[in-house]
Amino acid sequence: LAKTTQPISMDSYEGQEVNITCSHNNIATNDYITWYQQFPSQGPRFIIQGYKTKVTNEVASLFIPADRKSSTLSLPRVSLSDTAVYYCLVGSLGTSYDKVIFGPGTSLSVIP
Amino acid sequence: GAVVSQHPSRVICKSGTSVKIECRSLDFQATTMFWYRQFPKKSLMLMATSNEGSKATYEQGVEKDKFLINHASLTLSTLTVTSAHPEDSSFYICSASRVPTGELFFGEGSRLTVL
Repeated sequence: LAKTTQPISMDSYEGQEVNITCSHNNIATNDYITWYQQFPSQGPRFIIQGYKTKVTNEVASLFIPADRKSSTLSLPRVSLSDTAVYYCLVGSLGTSYDKVIFGPGTSLSVIP
Repeated sequence: GAVVSQHPSRVICKSGTSVKIECRSLDFQATTMFWYRQFPKKSLMLMATSNEGSKATYEQGVEKDKFLINHASLTLSTLTVTSAHPEDSSFYICSASRVPTGELFFGEGSRLTVL
């Protein structure tokens, strides 16, 4: 899987939009980009997935430029409950994954 | 949505005993499951990749004889920590790759404490 690089930590005030960028320079043609959220002592939870351009769901948006070497997770109007670690994963969809390696993730702290 | 269940969520055992953790995909089939270990404030560390009906593939540095992985069916994989010691205390998480889309779903994790 393509190696990913994210900021280690970010702080934000409640109600602000938060953008977390992930670099994946070695992304392959068949690779998708998936973001997960993890709270302490819980398993990662799926947030959003995309291949190119922009994807939006009820909780976040994912922006992927044309070269796909990076992606940005956008969380609108964060609340205290969005304090968590966010992981960017890059891999190909198919009948199975060869490996799923996590990077260090981004620890987001939302401040009242 | 798809659910992956881990059991037990918490377990405390004495040093020298063995502990089994189950990972079940409740409403889908998973040919591939992954086992992770996570230390406090650290990322998930891949321990092994488990494929149904075959031997698990372990990551470098992970002891095969200590962490026994079995994936006997398309909905169940187990991790057995054998002769557990306090340094094996950790948070263990599994994930399952759904057939045929390959989507990944994670269990809620199992907290192992070895006294």
